[in-house]
Amino acid sequence: ETGVTQSPTHLIKTRGQQVTLRCSSQSGHNTVSWYQQALGQGPQFIFQYYREEENGRGNFPPRFSGLQFPNYSSELNVNALELDDSALYLCASSLLAGGAQYFGPGTRLLVL
Amino acid sequence: KNEVEQSPQNLTAQEGEFITINCSYSVGISALHWLQQHPGGGIVSLFMLSSGKKKHGRLIATINIQEKHSSLHITASHPRDSAVYICAVRGTSGSRLTFGEGTQLTVNP
Repeated sequence: ETGVTQSPTHLIKTRGQQVTLRCSSQSGHNTVSWYQQALGQGPQFIFQYYREEENGRGNFPPRFSGLQFPNYSSELNVNALELDDSALYLCASSLLAGGAQYFGPGTRLLVL
Repeated sequence: KNEVEQSPQNLTAQEGEFITINCSYSVGISALHWLQQHPGGGIVSLFMLSSGKKKHGRLIATINIQEKHSSLHITASHPRDSAVYICAVRGTSGSRLTFGEGTQLTVNP
């Protein structure tokens, strides 16, 4: 059984650019949640996908968007990057929408 | 005021000490998670609980639903326990997690 993986591990972008982060969920898990963790803070919920549909969204602007694919892997897209988007982006998969979540190692994004 | 508050923010202990990290929340919940985050960012789920107490090795987690409070205890602490410990709650509707800001634990040899 493979765990949750994320790619890339690190990324540097400039303001105004767009970025796509990827997450492969644990085998058999149909739910993926994305979180943003700024330095020194706890993670903040961005959104969750369940069976390819958005299943809840946190307080993030529309330039944060996502997708979930039929194999339950997921993407997080951020358009028009801002300096404050610099953070660790975590995804977590679960067997059920409200089940125990298994976290990936994160993607560290730096926006210059 | 955050929905999830942890204390202390930082904790330094000597190897072998008994450690307690506290979490208070202000909303109704269906479950509470204790998570461990090491430098570099990876998060490991330690416990998910909705009542009572759970134990795994040297770790014990308790929750008091009436008081909206949970504690994570580490017995016989070891330098490898040094990490950030995060409390997160899942509300009664929906499945999103709301996180505390974490407790940075440093255990010195």
